[in-house]
Amino acid sequence: DAGVIQSPRHEVTEMGQEVTLRCKPISGHDYLFWYRQTMMRGLELLIYFNNNVPIDDSGMPEDRFSAKMPNASFSTLKIQPSEPRDSAVYFCASSPRDRGGSPLHFGNGTRLTVT
Amino acid sequence: DQQVKQNSPSLSVQEGRISILNCDYTNSMFDYFLWYKKYPAEGPTFLISISSIKDKNEDGRFTVFLNKSAKHLSLHIVPSQPGDSAVYFCAASEVFGNQFYFGTGTSLTVIP
Repeated sequence: DAGVIQSPRHEVTEMGQEVTLRCKPISGHDYLFWYRQTMMRGLELLIYFNNNVPIDDSGMPEDRFSAKMPNASFSTLKIQPSEPRDSAVYFCASSPRDRGGSPLHFGNGTRLTVT
Repeated sequence: DQQVKQNSPSLSVQEGRISILNCDYTNSMFDYFLWYKKYPAEGPTFLISISSIKDKNEDGRFTVFLNKSAKHLSLHIVPSQPGDSAVYFCAASEVFGNQFYFGTGTSLTVIP
């Protein structure tokens, strides 16, 4: 099993540009989560999906952020327009259908720098 | 507001000694607790978990203790090894919930 795969690993962009982060969850996992890691807030949940349907997006900071899951093997997190305060490490994680007692499996993250 | 708190940003311990990492939570509906370990440039990896029906869970050198009345859990690593140097996150989820709430992490350094 290749685990959760995220791309790109690093993204450097200028303020105002559109940024798209990508995630491939572990095959068979029905839940997909997007987290953002910052020093102040630690790992912060942005949005999660169940069977490709967004369940809770209350953590998405602003309308500039959007996430999609067009199929069970792919999800995107888009920021448009990007701002310097969006600089952080963004993690995707997945977990199996049986949530009870099932931990999250994380990808290696995308480090985003907005200048 | 942070529902899971790790009040110690960093901890240094001598190799072979015990490392104790602490975590507090505010939501009494949390019933499942986890610890994750994170190395630089990698994603967090699951380390150990405990459900609210237990007060202790052990896996090799790692033991997690849960004190529900105090809303407190701790991770003990005995003996500590240099390879244990990493950031440790605690996390919690509610009964029938699917969200995991994470703390801000504690950076552990084990000195050889």
